[in-house]
Amino acid sequence: QVQLVESGGGVVQPGRALRLSCVASGFSFSDYGMHWVRQAPGEGLEWVTSVSHDGRNKFYADSVKGRLTISRDNPKNTLYLQMSNLRAEDTATYYCARDQANTGGYYPDSWGQGTLVTVSS
Amino acid sequence: DIQMTQSPSSLSASVGDRVTITCRASQGISTYLAWFQQKPGKAPKPLMYAASVLQSGVPSKFSGSRSGTDFTLTISSLQPEDFATYYCQQYHSVPFTFGPGTRLDMK
Repeated sequence: QVQLVESGGGVVQPGRALRLSCVASGFSFSDYGMHWVRQAPGEGLEWVTSVSHDGRNKFYADSVKGRLTISRDNPKNTLYLQMSNLRAEDTATYYCARDQANTGGYYPDSWGQGTLVTVSS
Repeated sequence: DIQMTQSPSSLSASVGDRVTITCRASQGISTYLAWFQQKPGKAPKPLMYAASVLQSGVPSKFSGSRSGTDFTLTISSLQPEDFATYYCQQYHSVPFTFGPGTRLDMK
């Protein structure tokens, strides 16, 4: 079955960087687009970014453009989210999710359990 | 950006009730609309995509429909495990925006 396991969350100071990882198993990772979706404590869901199956096409929410970068390593079945110049408003649980298609432009049909990022001094 | 609204924001219902949640897009999104269920402390669970197609394994008591830019999620015969927060999401165009959620709790 599809399994997505995020890691890399923690407490980080404002302005610092952090890299999240998501290891995929149970499906052919290189055939699917992938998403990152986040949820601030007590708040709703916010789509952050997605990437096509081959890593060539990337899409970002305006709120993170230029600071968060999505990437993937298909031979390692791993999705990444490089986060830089972090702000308090980036505090959230970050979910990795598989796209229904290979483009990164459809809906997230399988989700990981999430990893919490707290930006605080 | 496409804005998604949901109504009601919260809803109290009883076991056995039939409930309907509405999601409205600020512009046309065809049927590029998904629904998710989320319970406290858990990841969202996909329920439906293309406005009315059930995700594999989701029971048929969940149904979806579309009228223009209005979408509805209907849950027939509520069971205790259905009390959760429900989100819609459009995937017509970037950014793939979510609605603010509808909290469904037990009366």
